[in-house]
Amino acid sequence: QVQLQQSGPGLVKPSQTLSLTCAISGDSVSSNSVAWNWFRQSPSRGLEWLGRTYYRSKWYNDYAVSVKSRITINPDTSKNQFSLQLNSVTPEDTAVYYCAREHSDRLRDYGMDVWGQGTTVTVSS
Amino acid sequence: EIVLTQSPGTLSLSPGERASLFCRASQTISSSYLAWYQQKPGQAPRLLIYGASNRATDIPDRFSGSGSGPDFTLTISRVEPEDFAVYYCQQYGSSPYTFGQGTKLEIK
Repeated sequence: QVQLQQSGPGLVKPSQTLSLTCAISGDSVSSNSVAWNWFRQSPSRGLEWLGRTYYRSKWYNDYAVSVKSRITINPDTSKNQFSLQLNSVTPEDTAVYYCAREHSDRLRDYGMDVWGQGTTVTVSS
Repeated sequence: EIVLTQSPGTLSLSPGERASLFCRASQTISSSYLAWYQQKPGQAPRLLIYGASNRATDIPDRFSGSGSGPDFTLTISRVEPEDFAVYYCQQYGSSPYTFGQGTKLEIK
């Protein structure tokens, strides 16, 4: 059974960097049939996709335009996890952040089938 | 960016009734990349339907999805007490992935 366990601080100061980690059990971050995604959810913005990383003979990243200049998603193969870094945060980045697995094979894409538990991040001084 | 519009915003039903939730895309999307999620307070979204009409693992058969092009439907044949929650549609066929604003299914 695949599980995702999120960790990271719940409070970040404005202009600093938000850093979260998503530890994977039951699957491999390097699998060529999955993509590892980050989302966030706030009352003002709803559910918002931030980006993903995936391995297809080499590593790829794909980011939302709204955060592209500030975001980095990195895999860590030694720890079987992936991370989110969001730079220069403002109070508008306050949200619940989720990691999620997207599983696919040659026949179809199965959507975001496994989610982390969520991390509430508040940006405030 | 593909905008998804869900209706109604709130659906008030009694247990045992049939629920129909709608999702309209701002442009034609492939049904292969349309999903529905259920979310309860304090929990992460839970995948119900992928590829517009395929139930995810362990999802009861009272949940079904249909539709194509811009218009999709999630149907709950007979609403159970545990089904009262917020439901979201999502397209994951083109970047950025986007969600609808949600339909809240509440007890009448």
